Parts: sequence; C-alpha cells; structure tokens
Amino acid sequence: AQSVTQPDIHITVSEGASLELRCNYSYGATPYLFWYVQSPGQGLQLLLKYFSGDTLVQGIKGFEAEFKRSQSSFNLRKPSVHWSDAAEYFCAASGGSNYKLTFGKGTLLTVNP
Amino acid sequence: DAGVIQSPRHEVTEMGQEVTLRCKPISGHNSLFWYRQTMMRGLELLIYFNNNVPIDDSGMPEDRFSAKMPNASFSTLKIQPSEPRDSAVYFCASTQDGQTGELFFGEGSRLTVL
Repeated sequence: AQSVTQPDIHITVSEGASLELRCNYSYGATPYLFWYVQSPGQGLQLLLKYFSGDTLVQGIKGFEAEFKRSQSSFNLRKPSVHWSDAAEYFCAASGGSNYKLTFGKGTLLTVNP
Repeated sequence: DAGVIQSPRHEVTEMGQEVTLRCKPISGHNSLFWYRQTMMRGLELLIYFNNNVPIDDSGMPEDRFSAKMPNASFSTLKIQPSEPRDSAVYFCASTQDGQTGELFFGEGSRLTVL
C-alpha cells in the first residue's frame, strides 16, 4: 500500500538553528513528492515539489528538500530557522499524474527564541 | 488574487442536525477536493471533482455525507444527520488540470458536533 511516513511528530529548534524534517515514502514507482506547511488556523500551503530531474529542489521561504531514491526519502531542510517558521509540516506523495495525494501525519515545529 | 474561500469557519451543532459546508474555488481551477483533518487520522481525501463532476467519492465516510458542485465556482459538503465523530476540520482545495498535487487550500471549516 502507498504510504508516507514522517517519523517525528514534534521537533523543537532554536531560532537561527538549522532544520531537517524527515519524510519517507512507500510507492510502487517514484512518486511525485511535496511538502506543505500549515500555520495555526490556516489551510495548507505548498512549499516545494519534486517531479523528476535535479534531486535538490528549492521552495519558498528558504526551504529546500532532497530526494534520495535509495533511501525512499524526501527530507525538508532550512539552514536557519526563523520564529515565523513555527507550524506543522506535511510531506505528501502522489502516483505520477494521479490526483490522489497521500499525506504524512505531519511534524509540528516549535521554534524557541 | 482571492484564494479558496470556505464558509463557515466555525460551526458548532448538535448531534442529528444537518451541516452544510461551502467552498468557492479559485477562479479558473477545474479540480476541487474536500479533505477532512483529525488528530487521529490526519488528512483524508473525501471527494474529488473535475470539471464539476464527481470523479472519486471513495473517501466519503458513509451515506450521511454528500457533496455537490453545481457550477465551477461553488461546492457544498453536507452531513445529515451529523454525529460527534464528524467533528473535524474540513478543507476544500482546488487546482488546475496538469498541476498534479499542487493544491491550493482554503482556511478550513472547523466543525464541532455535540
């Protein structure tokens, strides 16, 4: 069965520290991969996406993610976290042109001053 | 540009009552999705419309749930009768054909059924 796993339910980092949020997927073939962010009381916003090609993708708000086929991973990174990055982050995948997104359970990010 | 607009933002109702949630997708988008978010189950796709036609409703929990899209700019999700286990945040999202996975979400409707 297709699945997306985010191993960390909650991560706390200090402002200015680097960040890496983990995401692993299980699909029959390489899926399309996405990271979304949800601020409190808001809907989800797309941060970045990977379809094919360069395995390091850049997104909005200074985020990047790296696709590693050998590890079935698509981890999200940011070199220096800002207090405004505190939110919940969702990794998602779809089977190519399939419209159906499978979301991970999310990782809640807390940023300490 | 206006994003996806959902109403109401919050709804508190009693068990057995009818609930109607509304969504206006982004103009020009022809795909519309209804999702439900709970702590236990995360984000679940309830139903997907393309060009106003329901394509996949396999995620609709049971017959108490129904969704319509009478035109390209409006959709409703109805629960009748509502039950406490329906308490959740319901999101509407839209996108254009070819924008696989690139969904634009509304701010959600938080439903509490007492």
